[in-house]
Amino acid sequence: ILNVEQSPQSLHVQEGDSTNFTCSFPSSNFYALHWYRWETAKSPEALFVMTLNGDEKKKGRISATLNTKEGYSYLYIKGSQPEDSATYLCALTQGGSEKLVFGKGTKLTVNP
Amino acid sequence: DVKVTQSSRYLVKRTGEKVFLECVQDMDHENMFWYRQDPGLGLRLIYFSYDVKMKEKGDIPEGYSVSREKKERFSLILESASTNQTSMYLCASLPLGLESWGVGRTGELFFGEGSRLTVL
Repeated sequence: ILNVEQSPQSLHVQEGDSTNFTCSFPSSNFYALHWYRWETAKSPEALFVMTLNGDEKKKGRISATLNTKEGYSYLYIKGSQPEDSATYLCALTQGGSEKLVFGKGTKLTVNP
Repeated sequence: DVKVTQSSRYLVKRTGEKVFLECVQDMDHENMFWYRQDPGLGLRLIYFSYDVKMKEKGDIPEGYSVSREKKERFSLILESASTNQTSMYLCASLPLGLESWGVGRTGELFFGEGSRLTVL
């Protein structure tokens, strides 16, 4: 079974803090790396899909980077707000498969 | 608005019952997936389908089967429910094939709201 690791498992920050978390994955046969945000009582929503080594994506205060050679991706949140509280999931696709394999997620809580 | 609809938000069933979880998408997507989510284990893939009548096992297919008779509908079947199948079940769909994740394409999974199944 493909192993996608996320750290930390959970994180508590104060409003206004910037934060980041990590997704690690096997670098062989890489195809795409996805980030999703899953708020309580809602469906997971896509944040980014990255396919190229060195990719950087940004959406508002959230950004992500990708290193396919060493097998990791970082998600950054600048100036965290309470509405950023959610579980952030990364998922890997390898070449030749439509299958996405998810990490266990990082649960972020932003305290006002 | 894109829509993935799961038939039941909450179900309570008894051990040994046959359970059907239905998922319908209105986006004409080729690929559909069933995941289960358990605390501390994240989202684990049960089965997926890349076309009508086509299916492939995910990482934890034991105790489950699926049916895809029409493009828009993907059903998860628990032939004889057991207590260890108590979980949150999420359906998702994805357009096209691998090319949907190429540069310039979003290729995002669209998820339903989940079905929380309790097996007593």
